[in-house]
Amino acid sequence: RKEVEQDPGPFNVPEGATVAFNCTYSNSASQSFFWYRQDCRKEPKLLMSVYSSGNEDGRFTAQLNRASQYISLLIRDSKLSDSATYLCVGDSGGYQKVTFGIGTKLQVIP
Amino acid sequence: DTGVSQDPRHKITKRGQNVTFRCDPISEHNRLYWYRQTLGQGPEFLTYFQNEAQLEKSRLLSDRFSAERPKGSFSTLEIQRTEQGDSAMYLCASSLRGGGIVGELFFGEGSRLTVL
Repeated sequence: RKEVEQDPGPFNVPEGATVAFNCTYSNSASQSFFWYRQDCRKEPKLLMSVYSSGNEDGRFTAQLNRASQYISLLIRDSKLSDSATYLCVGDSGGYQKVTFGIGTKLQVIP
Repeated sequence: DTGVSQDPRHKITKRGQNVTFRCDPISEHNRLYWYRQTLGQGPEFLTYFQNEAQLEKSRLLSDRFSAERPKGSFSTLEIQRTEQGDSAMYLCASSLRGGGIVGELFFGEGSRLTVL
């Protein structure tokens, strides 16, 4: 079983829609979680960190559910510029290796 | 430019040759990671360093792969006797670890390897 699993999509949504991605992790010792964004043929860049209390940054909201071991990302009022691959990321607990999911591809359609 | 830099950006080689990639992290960052990414996949962990110490190496990594970070600054990733399956983008990232929390990873633009 992969340490971090997510649906690769693609998710095709119209502009202005709300879209949600989920990601599950297998290591209960994981402490730190993130969402990264990767544009085509570019390197990944941090979108936001994920905290137990949940956090929001503009149109983006991230949630962590430790009991069920999943992480979510909600994007409201989707923009064409949101089209990208969204990578779910977690650490491995004590060793702090950082593991990426396969990525979920989002395509926002005019 | 004070970001993570990788060299070369592109490498085409014949099967069986050795290749070496270099990564220069952000200067104050103490952690350095190597990942491999193929089309349609997320970055796959290879190894990481804290300062000059290599703390973990992926079990998926064969003995043909070796990485060093001799002075805790730049790092090299060498692949010996390359195979066509080694064709991928090799990504380097650095971070500043503190307080037991994994810091944000800053990635370089990657080194794309094509093995013919």
